[in-house]
Parts: sequence; structure tokens; C-alpha cells
Amino acid sequence: QKEVEQNSGPLSVPEGAIASLNCTYSDRGSQSFFWYRQYSGKSPELIMFIYSNGDKEDGRFTAQLNKASQYVSLLIRDSQPSDSATYLCAVSKGSSNTGKLIFGQGTTLQVKP
Amino acid sequence: SAVISQKPSRDICQRGTSLTIQCQVDSQVTMMFWYRQQPGQSLTLIATANQGSEATYESGFVIDKFPISRPNLTFSTLTVSNMSPEDSSIYLCSVEDRRGGGKTQYFGPGTRLLVL
Repeated sequence: QKEVEQNSGPLSVPEGAIASLNCTYSDRGSQSFFWYRQYSGKSPELIMFIYSNGDKEDGRFTAQLNKASQYVSLLIRDSQPSDSATYLCAVSKGSSNTGKLIFGQGTTLQVKP
Repeated sequence: SAVISQKPSRDICQRGTSLTIQCQVDSQVTMMFWYRQQPGQSLTLIATANQGSEATYESGFVIDKFPISRPNLTFSTLTVSNMSPEDSSIYLCSVEDRRGGGKTQYFGPGTRLLVL
């Protein structure tokens, strides 16, 4: 079992729709959870982070965390063609304060006009 | 967030040679990391660059192959030694930002390495 798992996609949604990206992780000690967006040929860009169970909203983005189910998701409302990218889920390694992150394989999102 | 720069942005190297990649941050940071992203793959942590002491390497990565320096809180280098085509990857440095009460990590623009 991979430490952080994502569906590689591609996930295709029409413009204006809600895109739902999912991630599961294996380490119950993980405390911090991140979503990065990576455009082709570019480095990852942090778009959301969440530490506590529940929802966290920032503009069109909502991160959801369920530690009991070891599940984190990212919702993108009113999807735009510019949202087309690979979305990487990252999870802190264990409960220690090392700052180390483990990344999933990424989900490719395609938003069609 | 901190502004991170990397040099070189890309390079093409011959097998058996070494390349040193520089990472510069515009503010002092405690934690700096080096990652590798192989073609079509996600990011894998190589090591934590510790200021004033030896880097902490992840499983599968060794100091002889990837020596790292961290002379101060704004700068680090990663050397890819005795390169082979399998080392062709994007190498990224990242820094941890603890402002605002949280701990978030930001990436530099990356160094794209092709080994022939």
C-alpha cells in the first residue's frame, strides 16, 4: 500500500462544475495535509493546507479532512480551464516535527470549456 | 511566502560528471529540503538540509551520491555526483514557512537535469 494514494485521472469536468479530488494516506500519525497544484513544466504551488478535521475554505477551494477515515479531499468550485493541472496531495511524515512531506502521485484535472 | 531561486534552471550533462545545484531564499528559514521529481512521477524527498550539520537523508539516498551543504539559513547546495541517465530529473528545493502559526512548505522553480 502506498503511503499517499491518489487517483491519477485524468479527471475531466466541464467549465463551471465542481471538481472533487481525493487522497488517502496510511500513517495515522500524520498531522498536516497539503494540496499543491503543478502546471506542466512548473514547480508545485501550494494552494491549500489543513490540520484539523472538517472543512477549510479559501475562495473557490475547499479542503476536507477526515482523520478517522485517513482521507483528505479538495473541492474546486466553478472550475475554470486555468485550473487544468496536476494536483498533488502531500501529507506530513509521522507525528514528529521534521517537516518532511510524502506526496501522492497526483491527479490530472482537465477543465473543458 | 519566501522567494526561492535555484541555479541552474536546467542543464544537460554527460554521464560520470557532477552538477551542483544552488538554492537561495530571500529570508532566513530553519528547514530546507531537497526533492527529486523523475519524469512523469511525483516528488520524492532526498534529504533535509541542516544548517551547520550533516544533511539527513531519506531511505535510498546517500551522501556520496547527493552531498548537500547548508552554510547558513538562506542558502543550500545539492550535488548530483557521478551522474547516470537515471539521474535525469527535476530537482527542487523547498523551505518551510512557520509564519502565521502554521507550517507550510514552498518550492523553488526547480532544476531540470538531463544526463546523456
